[in-house]
Amino acid sequence: DSGVTQTPKHLITATGQRVTLRCSPRSGDLSVYWYQQSLDQGLQFLIQYYNGEERAKGNILERFSAQQFPDLHSELNLSFLELGDSALYFCASSVATGWNTEAFFGQGTRLTVV
Amino acid sequence: GQNIDQPTEMTATEGAIVQINCTYQTSGFNGLFWYQQHAGEAPTFLSYNVLDGLEEKGRFSSFLSRSKGYSYLLLKELQMKDSASYLCAVRNDYKLSFGAGTTVTVRA
Repeated sequence: DSGVTQTPKHLITATGQRVTLRCSPRSGDLSVYWYQQSLDQGLQFLIQYYNGEERAKGNILERFSAQQFPDLHSELNLSFLELGDSALYFCASSVATGWNTEAFFGQGTRLTVV
Repeated sequence: GQNIDQPTEMTATEGAIVQINCTYQTSGFNGLFWYQQHAGEAPTFLSYNVLDGLEEKGRFSSFLSRSKGYSYLLLKELQMKDSASYLCAVRNDYKLSFGAGTTVTVRA
């Protein structure tokens, strides 16, 4: 158990809908990363927050947004869902953003858009 | 931008050694990480290099050459449970970017 908690574990929804994925980082970790992993694909970096502020953006679609709250948990909002959004969404956390800190991953949320 | 390349697949025999190469081109560099990921599961941290040279952790070793933009992960005394995807990741300031992963299959 990495200490990073993601909910829900599975989510099935229809095209055009909106969903929210939740991530609770490890105790003491200030940095949260979101990744998308489609079938047989690598981890695509979406966005990163540090202590409530957005610090880096990757290939995140405009239909997607995220935020990190004062208690450091984070939410990833996916809107106007398309079939191609079906994927595993991982959250990871680390103590800081420095070079010597590894990221610990949650078990992921498997999103299926039908 | 980021460009991280690693082979797609490798196959090896139980008890053998396998070396997974990773080359990268990034606009900045703050460290290179290796993760293991079993299908449908979360990636788990294996090793980290920030300076040139070899880091050894039990059966796993990782090497880095910053001037060449090159790293490798060495898996020794392969076991069946080592069958997984191995991900090379580069930290650049606030971003942690991953390669597509190398699927290692260990045969009996």
